[in-house]
Amino acid sequence: AQTVTQSQPEMSVQEAETVTLSCTYDTSESDYYLFWYKQPPSRQMILVIRQEAYKQQNATENRFSVNFQKAAKSFSLKISDSQLGDAAMYFCAFFQGGSEKLVFGKGTKLTVNP
Amino acid sequence: DAGVIQSPRHEVTEMGQEVTLRCKPISGHDYLFWYRQTMMRGLELLIYFNNNVPIDDSGMPEDRFSAKMPNASFSTLKIQPSEPRDSAVYFCASSPRAGGYLTEAFFGQGTRLTVV
Repeated sequence: AQTVTQSQPEMSVQEAETVTLSCTYDTSESDYYLFWYKQPPSRQMILVIRQEAYKQQNATENRFSVNFQKAAKSFSLKISDSQLGDAAMYFCAFFQGGSEKLVFGKGTKLTVNP
Repeated sequence: DAGVIQSPRHEVTEMGQEVTLRCKPISGHDYLFWYRQTMMRGLELLIYFNNNVPIDDSGMPEDRFSAKMPNASFSTLKIQPSEPRDSAVYFCASSPRAGGYLTEAFFGQGTRLTVV
């Protein structure tokens, strides 16, 4: 079974600082997609960043970047220059190649302190 | 495209009543997913459809839950009879297939269901 583990239920960061959210996953497949979704208080699920497993280069989207360690099955999200608007729940998710299920971790609640 | 559209945004109902949640996926997307979100269990996949056909409903908690997709632009999730423990946020998401893989899921705003 596919599983996604986020070991940090809550994290906090000072505005303008950097924070890293952790995610590990379990799969026996070699092809898959990994995602970080953001859920602000509005509850809308917003895609932050996506990583294809066959790509060695870590994905980057402006202030958001990932550290993808395929052998370790680790997929952490780094938020640089944190802003108040980054405060939200962050979910790590996983689409296994050949599977049609998007599996989510339990989420990490990020607080940004002014 | 307006994105995935769910209705209603909020629903309050009495225990024992029938509840129907609605979803309009993004046009052209082959896949439609129904998720339930609670504090205790996080985001759970209930059921998903491919080209309007239910593929996997193993996440549907009980026979009280049913889902249909009569056409490519509409799906419903029905709970009959509803119980207080069904209170949750229900999300609908749709996804295109590209190159043989599902590459991203687009979510609706969710329906917050409260059963009293």
